[in-house]
Amino acid sequence: AVQLVESGGGLVQPGKSLKLSCSASGFTFSSYGMHWIRQAPGKGLDWVAYISSSSGTVYADAVKERFTISRDNAKNTLYLQLNSLKSEDTAIYYCARSFRYYFDYWGQGVMVTVSS
Amino acid sequence: DIVLTQSPALAVSLGQRATISCRASQSVSTSSYNLMHWYQQKPGQQPKLLIYDASNLASSIPARFSGSGSGTDFTLTINPVQADDIATYYCQQSRELPLTFGSGTKLEIK
Repeated sequence: AVQLVESGGGLVQPGKSLKLSCSASGFTFSSYGMHWIRQAPGKGLDWVAYISSSSGTVYADAVKERFTISRDNAKNTLYLQLNSLKSEDTAIYYCARSFRYYFDYWGQGVMVTVSS
Repeated sequence: DIVLTQSPALAVSLGQRATISCRASQSVSTSSYNLMHWYQQKPGQQPKLLIYDASNLASSIPARFSGSGSGTDFTLTINPVQADDIATYYCQQSRELPLTFGSGTKLEIK
């Protein structure tokens, strides 16, 4: 079965950095594009970033120049490097598998809290 | 960006039909696909894909869920509604980047 497990979240001060990981199993990871999507507390879903199977990347304007999505196909792992964090980045971050730019499988999510 | 508009909440009785709408600020259809998708999110859980390309049922999703629409107007129907369907439902378009979601419709029992 397809499984996506995020890790790396936590409490971080404004302006600091954090790196999230998403471990994938149950499918050929290298063949799929992957996304990060976030959800602020009590709010809706916001798409954050996408990486294709060939490692091309696209970002939402709100995170461009601050966040970096990457992947390690040998480790079946997706990453999101979060730099220059702001309070408005506080959210649950989900990784999701891409199928023609919709999300067919989601991880359970990891909480990132940006606060002093 | 394509803006997707959903009503905030819908109250229905168990066993009745629920119709959840999503309107896009511009067409999300191509000559081949209607690029609107629906997700269910229960409290404390991750979203789950219900419907892709407007009308195709995702794997393992019960047949009481269905989707329709094209262009700018789309509908998710649940018939009959069961207690387990209490959740927030989101539409999402993949016609253009950035990918965008509706604000969600919370399904409540009347």
